Amino acid sequence: ETGVTQSPTHLIKTRGQQVTLRCSSQSGHNTVSWYQQALGQGPQFIFQYYREEENGRGNFPPRFSGLQFPNYSSELNVNALELDDSALYLCASSFYSLRTGELFFGEGSRLTVL
Amino acid sequence: AQKVTQAQTEISVVEKEDVTLDCVYETRDTTYYLFWYKQPPSGELVFLIRRNSFDEQNEISGRYSWNFQKSTSSFNFTITASQVVDSAVYFCALSEAGETSGSRLTFGEGTQLTVNP
Repeated sequence: ETGVTQSPTHLIKTRGQQVTLRCSSQSGHNTVSWYQQALGQGPQFIFQYYREEENGRGNFPPRFSGLQFPNYSSELNVNALELDDSALYLCASSFYSLRTGELFFGEGSRLTVL
Repeated sequence: AQKVTQAQTEISVVEKEDVTLDCVYETRDTTYYLFWYKQPPSGELVFLIRRNSFDEQNEISGRYSWNFQKSTSSFNFTITASQVVDSAVYFCALSEAGETSGSRLTFGEGTQLTVNP
């Protein structure tokens, strides 16, 4: 068990709606990153937050946004949901350090967009 | 652009067989990091190993071993005497040295390993 918890575990939304996913990082970790994993594919980096600011972003549009709170919990918000947003969303926490890459993942939030 | 290729989509073996998972990567950086992660059915990815581009020594950890060859841009993973509990999806991943904090990983498509009793 990694100590990273995500909620909700499953949810269903309709196209055009907005969704907020939550993550609680492992104790002592100050960096959180979010990944999108479509069915049968590898995870894709969305963005990462350090000291409550976004400091790295993958190839995702602005309707994907996030927040990191002082207690290192985090949110991923997705506006104007599209069918292709259906995926497992994984949160990963780590301690900020160059060239680490050892991430601690939660079990994910599975989003279905109808 | 960086890329990770895992050509084996699915592998099925019988318990106690050895199995090798292949990983080939592409990057323009001279300094980079390679990883293997395991994803059991519960969904969370579990870190297995990190290797930097300057360290080509093979590594063994229990039944797991890794073979890193820069000449062929490969980072293969072998499980010796496989067990049913090894059944999972395994991902190879790459991080370039310029990425802040090292949490931006490029993953391959994964290999589904099924170990049958």
